[in-house]
Amino acid sequence: DTAVSQTPKYLVTQMGNDKSIKCEQNLGHDTMYWYKQDSKKFLKIMFSYNNKELIINETVPNRFSPKSPDKAHLNLHINSLELGDSAVYFCASSLRGGGSGNTIYFGEGSWLTVV
Amino acid sequence: KQEVTQIPAALSVPEGENLVLNCSFTDSAIYNLQWFRQDPGKGLTSLLLIQSSQREQTSGRLNASLDKSSGRSTLYIAASQPGDSATYLCAVYSGGGADGLTFGKGTHLIIQP
Repeated sequence: DTAVSQTPKYLVTQMGNDKSIKCEQNLGHDTMYWYKQDSKKFLKIMFSYNNKELIINETVPNRFSPKSPDKAHLNLHINSLELGDSAVYFCASSLRGGGSGNTIYFGEGSWLTVV
Repeated sequence: KQEVTQIPAALSVPEGENLVLNCSFTDSAIYNLQWFRQDPGKGLTSLLLIQSSQREQTSGRLNASLDKSSGRSTLYIAASQPGDSATYLCAVYSGGGADGLTFGKGTHLIIQP
C-alpha cells in the first residue's frame, strides 16, 4: 500500500490551461506539503498544510493554490499554466510539522510539462 | 536565509569502497537534518533523521553525523554496492518560511560493479 500517492504521474498540457494534481496519504499524518523540483533538480517547498493552517512560500505565484478536502488529501491547483511551471511536483506528509522532527514521506512525483 | 550545499555534486567509485558525502548549511539554528535518497523517476526515500541535539544516526551501512555549530553533516556509506547508486539529498528544517525543508542540490552517486 503506497503511503503517499499522487495522480497523475505525467501531465502534458498547453499554456493557459488550468490543471490539478491530487495527493493522498494513508499514514494518518497531520501535515502535508507540496514541493517543486525544477529542471536543475532543486527541490523547494511550496506549501505546508497542518490542521487547516496553510503556510505559503512567498515565492510561489498565486496561480498555485492547495486545497485540502480532508486531513488525508492535499490537492494542488494551478491556473493559467506557464512554460516555467514545467517541473516535477512532489507531495509529502509528516506526522506533525517539520520542527517536531518527524520523518517526511514523499510521493513519487508528478511530471508536469507545459507546451 | 538558509542555504544547503552538497559536495561533491557527483561521485563514481568502484563497488566495495567506503565513501563520504558532505553537506553544509549556512544557518546553524536548525531543528533537524535529514538525508534522502532519490532514484531516477522516483520520489524521495528518507534514510536518516538527526535531531539538532544528536551527533549521529546509524542505519545498516549508513552513518550520518551532525556538527550543528559548524553547519556540517556527513553521510558515510560503508562497503558500497551497485544498488546504492542514486542521488543523495541533504535537507534541514530551520522553521519559518513555509515550514518545510531546505534541500541541497544533491550528490549523484554511481557505484561501479
